[in-house]
Amino acid sequence: DIQMTQSPSSLSASVGDRVTITCRASQGISNYLAWFQQKPGKAPKSLIYAASSLQSGVPSKFSGSGSGTYFTLTISSLQPEDFATYYCQQYNSYPWTFGQGTKVEIK
Amino acid sequence: EVQLVQSGAEVKKPGESLKISCKGSGYSFTSYWIGWVRQMPGKGLEWMGIIYPGDSDTRYSPSFQGQVTISADKSISTAYLQWSSLKASDTAMYYCARHGEMATIRSAFDIWGQGTMVTVSS
Repeated sequence: DIQMTQSPSSLSASVGDRVTITCRASQGISNYLAWFQQKPGKAPKSLIYAASSLQSGVPSKFSGSGSGTYFTLTISSLQPEDFATYYCQQYNSYPWTFGQGTKVEIK
Repeated sequence: EVQLVQSGAEVKKPGESLKISCKGSGYSFTSYWIGWVRQMPGKGLEWMGIIYPGDSDTRYSPSFQGQVTISADKSISTAYLQWSSLKASDTAMYYCARHGEMATIRSAFDIWGQGTMVTVSS
């Protein structure tokens, strides 16, 4: 199985901060990488597919980049509604696998 | 509006069987892969498997192969996840999610169901 490792596991940030989360794959996955946001008690929400394409309706403050084994999710200016847990997922090879999650908390 | 609506919470005893559902609407149900994802209490997301409702082609994660069965009834636009003998360790939230590209297995999830909480306790 391909291991997806996110860093950091958690971070504290202030409203207005620029935040970057990293996701590394244990082997190359081209650009078959998605990002999801999950708030407590809610279903995940899809943010990004194909490493850098925004899902419909997702604000442009979210951006993704990377290819191969190294990927990033950036939130350009953190807002109160962005405090959540973020997951990456590869869909290049079975079984599809998720990162362990990055919890973004208020400083 | 494209949406997936899942069946309600379940409380079961170990050894019992269970089938939970995920009903799609607002799109061509038979043309998009549907996946199932487990989230144990306080833990992360785990990919369980996927099904193509058009022909019931199914793929499983090795971690879940033989432990659950994924199926679909295209006549009522509904996908299912079932257990023949539940264990306490099956206690979790289960989500269904749609692949975002028509007839494309290697595509990301775009729409998620609201989740079904399954509690297994004696």
